[in-house]
Amino acid sequence: NAGVTQTPKFQVLKTGQSMTLQCAQDMNHNSMYWYRQDPGMGLRLIYYSASEGTTDKGEVPNGYNVSRLNKREFSLRLESAAPSQTSVYFCASDRDRDQPQHFGDGTRLSIL
Amino acid sequence: GQQLNQSPQSMFIQEGEDVSMNCTSSSIFNTWLWYKQDPGEGPVLLIALYKAGELTSNGRLTAQFGITRKDSFLNISASIPSDVGIYFCAYTTSGTYKYIFGTGTRLKVLA
Repeated sequence: NAGVTQTPKFQVLKTGQSMTLQCAQDMNHNSMYWYRQDPGMGLRLIYYSASEGTTDKGEVPNGYNVSRLNKREFSLRLESAAPSQTSVYFCASDRDRDQPQHFGDGTRLSIL
Repeated sequence: GQQLNQSPQSMFIQEGEDVSMNCTSSSIFNTWLWYKQDPGEGPVLLIALYKAGELTSNGRLTAQFGITRKDSFLNISASIPSDVGIYFCAYTTSGTYKYIFGTGTRLKVLA
């Protein structure tokens, strides 16, 4: 039972490069989320997908795009990476709103 | 916007001591969650609270949803070295998909 799986675990990019972070869950959850975690700032919501086929902006969406590929998969794309996007990115999922979220182990992204 | 204050920011305690941390907000919420994050891993749910006044335990952990629905606390009894980590509170308002997370309490246990 893998839960929420994120790939890659680590990545280093140069400014201006693009990249897609992958997330998959095997719990048949309806909703999926992308957060970033920066030192001293806790977790901030980037985008979420309430259900397959829908996506909405969170607190810090600028510079990111997302795709809910199917019920299992939710990807996060950086079109032109900037040093300010250096962070740890977490994907999460839950059955429905107001339900506890389950997190992956994160992708550690450094942009030089 | 909604403000969420989590305290203390960090604490060092001796093994065997009890620990208390809390979260307060300027708004009323319907759900409080407490998570723990170990180094290099994602947050793991410890306790979920859904009703004002609710007191819930999970082993040595006890959490309460404040009567005013604006605060919550987490207690850890008889701490052990593996309690080290970052503890986050999170809340959501009814009918939304957006959770707001606190900035975390970093706990270090001295053996």
